[in-house]
Amino acid sequence: GAGVSQTPSNKVTEKGKYVELRCDPISGHTALYWYRQSLGQGPEFLIYFQGTGAADDSGLPNDRFFAVRPEGSVSTLKIQRTERGDSAVYLCASSQGSGGTPNEQFFGPGTRLTVL
Amino acid sequence: AQSVSQHNHHVILSEAASLELGCNYSYGGTVNLFWYVQYPGQHLQLLLKYFSGDPLVKGIKGFEAEFIKSKFSFNLRKPSVQWSDTAEYFCAVIAGSARQLTFGSGTQLTVLP
Repeated sequence: GAGVSQTPSNKVTEKGKYVELRCDPISGHTALYWYRQSLGQGPEFLIYFQGTGAADDSGLPNDRFFAVRPEGSVSTLKIQRTERGDSAVYLCASSQGSGGTPNEQFFGPGTRLTVL
Repeated sequence: AQSVSQHNHHVILSEAASLELGCNYSYGGTVNLFWYVQYPGQHLQLLLKYFSGDPLVKGIKGFEAEFIKSKFSFNLRKPSVQWSDTAEYFCAVIAGSARQLTFGSGTQLTVLP
């Protein structure tokens, strides 16, 4: 079946602009995660959705970052007033519904964001 | 907050050599442990995981890892590497009741043919 997809694969923007990054999870996966990976680092957690609601947004670096998942499937990560330090690969992952133990997270290919 | 340390940033081996990549985490409670691999040009994919039970876990492609609770370690091993194992390897932990992964900084493995 289809895996996690992310669009666009690459995004180049200018400092101060607004960007939206999209994630399509695996069909039927109720949990969705956003991570950010800077060069030479491992992915860092941003936000986690269970269904439509953000179950944990403690990783969002500041209020310029926001994410939604209005119908419990597709999610959009929104970044306002982009800064050069926002340049990174933004990864999305999905997993089956959370129960007593964590489930395997399946990762998408990522969106490479470059802020000039 | 929990953290994960991978001390080897870049490892270079010849084919058939044995591999051990170190991973240490800092969290005193219940942990779930993972190794992910990213082959060149591909997505992150799960190599193996430990939730409970036998501390020696086996994953895909001949990889295994051992959870040593007293050392807060989850080292990855493979007895004989192949050129196709060239990739970046990430250790990750889910701590306590959290659901998100905390990753180490990764180890780039290069296997020379």
